[in-house]
Amino acid sequence: DTGVSQDPRHKITKRGQNVTFRCDPISEHNRLYWYRQTLGQGPEFLTYFQNEAQLEKSRLLSDRFSAERPKGSFSTLEIQRTEQGDSAMYLCASSETTDTQYFGPGTRLTVL
Amino acid sequence: LAKTTQPISMDSYEGQEVNITCSHNNIATNDYITWYQQFPSQGPRFIIQGYKTKVTNEVASLFIPADRKSSTLSLPRVSLSDTAVYYCLVGDRRNTNAGKSTFGDGTTLTVKP
Repeated sequence: DTGVSQDPRHKITKRGQNVTFRCDPISEHNRLYWYRQTLGQGPEFLTYFQNEAQLEKSRLLSDRFSAERPKGSFSTLEIQRTEQGDSAMYLCASSETTDTQYFGPGTRLTVL
Repeated sequence: LAKTTQPISMDSYEGQEVNITCSHNNIATNDYITWYQQFPSQGPRFIIQGYKTKVTNEVASLFIPADRKSSTLSLPRVSLSDTAVYYCLVGDRRNTNAGKSTFGDGTTLTVKP
């Protein structure tokens, strides 16, 4: 079973550095989503792709955040000039068109 | 997107049946109800989804009354490993903006021995 995978699982960085996370969705899924989750709260939607097209972006996705899915397969989420408030778990999920979302294990980011 | 309301926390004991109710008064005609389970340091995991009446799978049952303004996730005979956060989501599966799922803060279920 090749579920959704995310890399790295943990990232510690210093404030002001750039970080990039990768998500590999389930192969036949054409939709890919990014969420952010802080301790004690539910996941917050950031953005989603249908194939390579980025169809929706949350207001949470500031100018320092950018996501890509160049070939409609894997996706990357980059955070530029990280701030301590960016510390969170970043979750990726994929689905077939309008079906159930399957989540990866997440990338935990700590900004010092 | 319909807003959902769940209890913040629930306690239970091993072997008991647990029912977690979610209110979604503004549910739309095309909206489905989906429940996810999340363990610490893991992504949410799909449990069950339904539109009306009752849905049952190997893990849980979902009860949805006729007015669909609420739903109840039923976990039979819980064990310690069912301790997790449970999220209720409401959304239109056919909507092109279906990716914008609103999770809320979920219900933290603690199962005690």
